[in-house]
Amino acid sequence: NAGVTQTPKFQVLKTGQSMTLQCAQDMNHNSMYWYRQDPGMGLRLIYYSASEGTTDKGEVPNGYNVSRLNKREFSLRLESAAPSQTSVYFCASMGVGGRTEAFFGQGTRLTVV
Amino acid sequence: KNEVEQSPQNLTAQEGEFITINCSYSVGISALHWLQQHPGGGIVSLFMLSSGKKKHGRLIATINIQEKHSSLHITASHPRDSAVYICAVDNYGGSQGNLIFGKGTKLSVKP
Repeated sequence: NAGVTQTPKFQVLKTGQSMTLQCAQDMNHNSMYWYRQDPGMGLRLIYYSASEGTTDKGEVPNGYNVSRLNKREFSLRLESAAPSQTSVYFCASMGVGGRTEAFFGQGTRLTVV
Repeated sequence: KNEVEQSPQNLTAQEGEFITINCSYSVGISALHWLQQHPGGGIVSLFMLSSGKKKHGRLIATINIQEKHSSLHITASHPRDSAVYICAVDNYGGSQGNLIFGKGTKLSVKP
């Protein structure tokens, strides 16, 4: 099935632990995104990648790093998790130029204790 | 400042009612997206539009570029339409990446 695959779906971390969220799309999209969704805040952009080999900070990048491994894959890493990073994370991808629809992964519900 | 405003924030309707959700924005856009998120679920794209009107089944989306306003209509609402509906605008690839999101409208349709 075409779309965005995001793993894991759920994760519990202790403060200070690290983890990587994986995202892959098979639609040959150039642009990929990582968002976090918190109650009352809506979706906020963490990092994005407009094309393979490029990444840029979004609205809330502190505490995160990303890697655009190739055109398909865009990973998000938490080096030292903090309770403030408890959230639901979504990966998304979009085409370039004509601005295609946005496709989202199923989300990762992360709890940092 | 909120560049994308949705109204209402919460909406409760009876099954069969006609529903309207509004989105106003203050930036220049190349397109506007309507998204749907069921409780505990992922986010699904309903529409992407840059002018006029689009229709998928019981859902209709309209946009007025001059007034910077879009509406999402649901005809003959059903309990399975209960979800959060999110408006997002494509801001010509501005500093926040491509999409700026509203905070969503939570719709509950009672049988």
